[in-house]
Amino acid sequence: DAKTTQPPSMDCAEGRAANLPCNHSTISGNEYVYWYRQIHSQGPQYIIHGLKNNETNEMASLIITEDRKSSTLILPHATLRDTAVYYCIVRARGNTPLVFGKGTRLSVIA
Amino acid sequence: NAGVTQTPKFRVLKTGQSMTLLCAQDMNHEYMYWYRQDPGMGLRLIHYSVGEGTTAKGEVPDGYNVSRLKKQNFLLGLESAAPSQTSVYFCASSLDGAKNIQYFGAGTRLSVL
Repeated sequence: DAKTTQPPSMDCAEGRAANLPCNHSTISGNEYVYWYRQIHSQGPQYIIHGLKNNETNEMASLIITEDRKSSTLILPHATLRDTAVYYCIVRARGNTPLVFGKGTRLSVIA
Repeated sequence: NAGVTQTPKFRVLKTGQSMTLLCAQDMNHEYMYWYRQDPGMGLRLIHYSVGEGTTAKGEVPDGYNVSRLKKQNFLLGLESAAPSQTSVYFCASSLDGAKNIQYFGAGTRLSVL
């Protein structure tokens, strides 16, 4: 059973912020939220992960709600190269592999 | 630094043939993974390894075998290929299971006729 729920697709205008939501209402206290993306035909690429605090790196920001039941990945200035499928994954640390769902297909439009 | 390299990139097999997909990583990572991705679907984990000489089953292990004789290599074998195994296969590695940030190869596109 999927641990996360994501919209199947979203559009975003080039240069605007892309906000990708993810619901994980059954997340447990020791589970992290990971985001990966897959640009057409390529292998997935790690973006960011977090536990309960908001996180930011050179690629994106991750906002996790206080109750941790949902999160949002933010690409602050989307470009055409950000067009990809974005996967939200919850996982406990330790010896448990990532489980990929179907993700959200983000289309950045000029 | 090549990262994760998969060999071959493309392959066409006839039903019943066997083959081995090779994954090599040069990052000294402990963990390695094999996934398959069917059209319009997310990735599904086939097998994984948490260290040299160890392997474990993932979500869809049937019809596949794996070996991790050397830390840097993870082999995926198909003993008797079936059309249902037509897919894109991705290999990944991670330093450990703690943060488990996985780095992926470019994929192998396999068609079984």
